[in-house]
Amino acid sequence: DTGVSQDPRHKITKRGQNVTFRCDPISEHNRLYWYRQTLGQGPEFLTYFQNEAQLEKSRLLSDRFSAERPKGSFSTLEIQRTEQGDSAMYLCASSLASSLGAKETQYFGPGTRLLVL
Amino acid sequence: AQKITQTQPGMFVQEKEAVTLDCTYDTSDQSYGLFWYKQPSSGEMIFLIYQGSYDEQNATEGRYSLNFQKARKSANLVISASQLGDSAMYFCAMREGPSTGNQFYFGTGTSLTVIP
Repeated sequence: DTGVSQDPRHKITKRGQNVTFRCDPISEHNRLYWYRQTLGQGPEFLTYFQNEAQLEKSRLLSDRFSAERPKGSFSTLEIQRTEQGDSAMYLCASSLASSLGAKETQYFGPGTRLLVL
Repeated sequence: AQKITQTQPGMFVQEKEAVTLDCTYDTSDQSYGLFWYKQPSSGEMIFLIYQGSYDEQNATEGRYSLNFQKARKSANLVISASQLGDSAMYFCAMREGPSTGNQFYFGTGTSLTVIP
């Protein structure tokens, strides 16, 4: 396994269209996170899964955003009716839940760069 | 209040010199973890170093060390013997314990430029 992968790497779409991104985590990792990163900012948490269960979702996340991880492996992030403000880098990260509490290292994928025209 | 504060938008360092990147954090949890990530222009976030709130010694990973001052709630990254390849954005991050949702919080980053 070579790490977290994301597809596509780049996406250009017109305002109002729906887009879907895919993330394949490191195979033995049970946690999967989605982040959004805009220029000059750090990653902003969107949501995370433990296995197939979506455990946390940012209150800043619009209803147009939905994420799934149906079999506890890969995950998809869908944005409906895209807006220009959705233009950003969407990062996926995976980790192995630790029994030691906060000691949990996330490993990131290369990201999907979205441009909404 | 910001969970993670990085007050240096940009830093310059001469090649082979050491540099310190500042990070302060805000949490009421007793159990938390602190991380530093590097993001080159290619965009991928690369894990550098981890410090646990209960760890008594400062973490070190090769040329990276974390200056952890718990009472001051600071977790500064020290890069020794800077190399040209160290030029990148550096993000400090914190994960609080399970009682507060297991979320990760990132700072706004520091852009480091290594000068030959």
